Amino acid sequence: AQSVTQPDIHITVSEGASLELRCNYSYGATPYLFWYVQSPGQGLQLLLKYFSGDTLVQGIKGFEAEFKRSQSSFNLRKPSVHWSDAAEYFCAVAMNTGFQKLVFGTGTRLLVSP
Amino acid sequence: SQTIHQWPATLVQPVGSPLSLECTVEGTSNPNLYWYRQAAGRGLQLLFYSVGIGQISSEVPQNLSASRPQDRQFILSSKKLLLSDSGFYLCASVVGEHEKLFFGSGTQLSVL
Repeated sequence: AQSVTQPDIHITVSEGASLELRCNYSYGATPYLFWYVQSPGQGLQLLLKYFSGDTLVQGIKGFEAEFKRSQSSFNLRKPSVHWSDAAEYFCAVAMNTGFQKLVFGTGTRLLVSP
Repeated sequence: SQTIHQWPATLVQPVGSPLSLECTVEGTSNPNLYWYRQAAGRGLQLLFYSVGIGQISSEVPQNLSASRPQDRQFILSSKKLLLSDSGFYLCASVVGEHEKLFFGSGTQLSVL
């Protein structure tokens, strides 16, 4: 069965610094990959998704992610973090046969220091 | 675009009491609907999904049940809540294989 690993539970980044959140997946084929953000007290918002094609995916709010098949990774990056980016970030994977079994990682909490 | 209404936003219930969380979807028809739970310190876990009225699939054995009485209505229920049912419950909807997943704002359930 597919699984998603986000090895960092918490990450603290200074405002203006670059950010990289790690995500590794386990799946026998190339899955659909997603990054979601959950702000305090709110639901999830889709940042970006990868289905096929260009392995560098651009998302909303200045985020991007790169799919690396050889490393089974889909790391999320942002060149300059803003204080409003403080939130919980979830990586997710779905089988490429449909969305019925979207599997989420445990999440990474991003703290932004002034 | 789709809008998902989920209520209540927060709920405190005693152990052994019943539960009913409702989710309704606007702006689409015949969506796939999902209930997820996020327990403290854990990731999101898929509880139920539904591809149509009256069609419910359960991902994990548990104390909860789901029903879909109408195309855009998805209800999560329990006859007797357990302490372990505490968590953040999210309703989600997707239309089409490549459409993005929309999430409701969630319900924070505390069972005391």
